[in-house]
Amino acid sequence: GAVVSQHPSWVICKSGTSVKIECRSLDFQATTMFWYRQFPKQSLMLMATSNEGSKATYEQGVEKDKFLINHASLTLSTLTVTSAHPEDSSFYICSASPGGGSQPQHFGDGTRLSIL
Amino acid sequence: GQNIDQPTEMTATEGAIVQINCTYQTSGFNGLFWYQQHAGEAPTFLSYNVLDGLEEKGRFSSFLSRSKGYSYLLLKELQMKDSASYLCAPQDSNYQLIWGAGTKLIIKP
Repeated sequence: GAVVSQHPSWVICKSGTSVKIECRSLDFQATTMFWYRQFPKQSLMLMATSNEGSKATYEQGVEKDKFLINHASLTLSTLTVTSAHPEDSSFYICSASPGGGSQPQHFGDGTRLSIL
Repeated sequence: GQNIDQPTEMTATEGAIVQINCTYQTSGFNGLFWYQQHAGEAPTFLSYNVLDGLEEKGRFSSFLSRSKGYSYLLLKELQMKDSASYLCAPQDSNYQLIWGAGTKLIIKP
């Protein structure tokens, strides 16, 4: 149980393109989903916390107009990287939790984004 | 501030036992999670401790001492596939996980 699906796995695109990443909880309802970014050999960096039906809460330094998050249902959250540039190239990972403090975050497989 | 301290890297031998220590400081505390992350992959959940003591799950055990801000992950009967990074992630008063860089564990034959 507790499977989180993330698509796409890999994206390679030109600078200026907008890229949409989907995160789905397949066998549970996720009241909260999280979006992370991770650079090589560095720790996970929380970008934003997404609650179903409300606006996402962004971490300090993360541009909300650059990284658009939509959490339209209890099983789906999307992250759109708008007008992506080479410095946005990274490993983006979503996670979802069924809720409750003792419930772990379950991670999707991540999306490796490369902007040329 | 909030911080986590784990060794950067550890090496162990296949079949042996290894203990990965973690000390933490958080604003409030609502349990601690351990995750495994293989290179180039997303983390996978290993264990959760909220009360003091040892939680055992197969070859993996995790210990917590809240008063000391200390936890460890114990891996027994090490296998080559256990080569990965191990992330200690305490949960603060807002139920937000605090992430460090983790411990890279290298298993040698």
